[in-house]
Amino acid sequence: DQQVKQNSPSLSVQEGRISILNCDYTNSMFDYFLWYKKYPAEGPTFLISISSIKDKNEDGRFTVFLNKSAKHLSLHIVPSQPGDSAVYFCAASYNFNKFYFGSGTKLNVKP
Amino acid sequence: NAGVTQTPKFRVLKTGQSMTLLCAQDMNHEYMYWYRQDPGMGLRLIHYSVGEGTTAKGEVPDGYNVSRLKKQNFLLGLESAAPSQTSVYFCASKPAGLSNQPQHFGDGTRLSIL
Repeated sequence: DQQVKQNSPSLSVQEGRISILNCDYTNSMFDYFLWYKKYPAEGPTFLISISSIKDKNEDGRFTVFLNKSAKHLSLHIVPSQPGDSAVYFCAASYNFNKFYFGSGTKLNVKP
Repeated sequence: NAGVTQTPKFRVLKTGQSMTLLCAQDMNHEYMYWYRQDPGMGLRLIHYSVGEGTTAKGEVPDGYNVSRLKKQNFLLGLESAAPSQTSVYFCASKPAGLSNQPQHFGDGTRLSIL
């Protein structure tokens, strides 16, 4: 049973608008959450993370929100750019050793 | 700066053949991981290692073996390949311990078992 779920396989957004990618988790022990970005034929690259002691972390155009009571996190990209088109994976950990990944959301930013 | 390097990038095997995938990292990371990525399944952990000479099972270890004889290398072996092992395999590494450090990934090995 997947402990981290991304229920939207794909998302299409117009350039300049906001992209919101969602992720849900089931294990309340998770205390560290990450988002990775993946282009075709490349490995995932780290984008942004958040600790469970925070509810928001911002890095430039990227903001991650954590709602512990709902076991939900989201990634906001504002403004979206065509170069943001990629597959986005969320991941979670509770001991910094093992990480559990969602199935990914393919973002398409249309010019 | 190479980071995490996976060898080979592509491979086609016949059922029953064996092979070894090599992962090498030059960042002096203690922890190393092997994942497989399948459509709709995301990344699933096969085996991981928290230091030279140590390995542990992940979520989907059956049919695979690993070795970490040197800190910089993590090998994934398939003793008798099966079509269900057709996948893209990713290696990752990270620094040790209780630190909020992300994993660094290689570019993957695409493996097809006929």
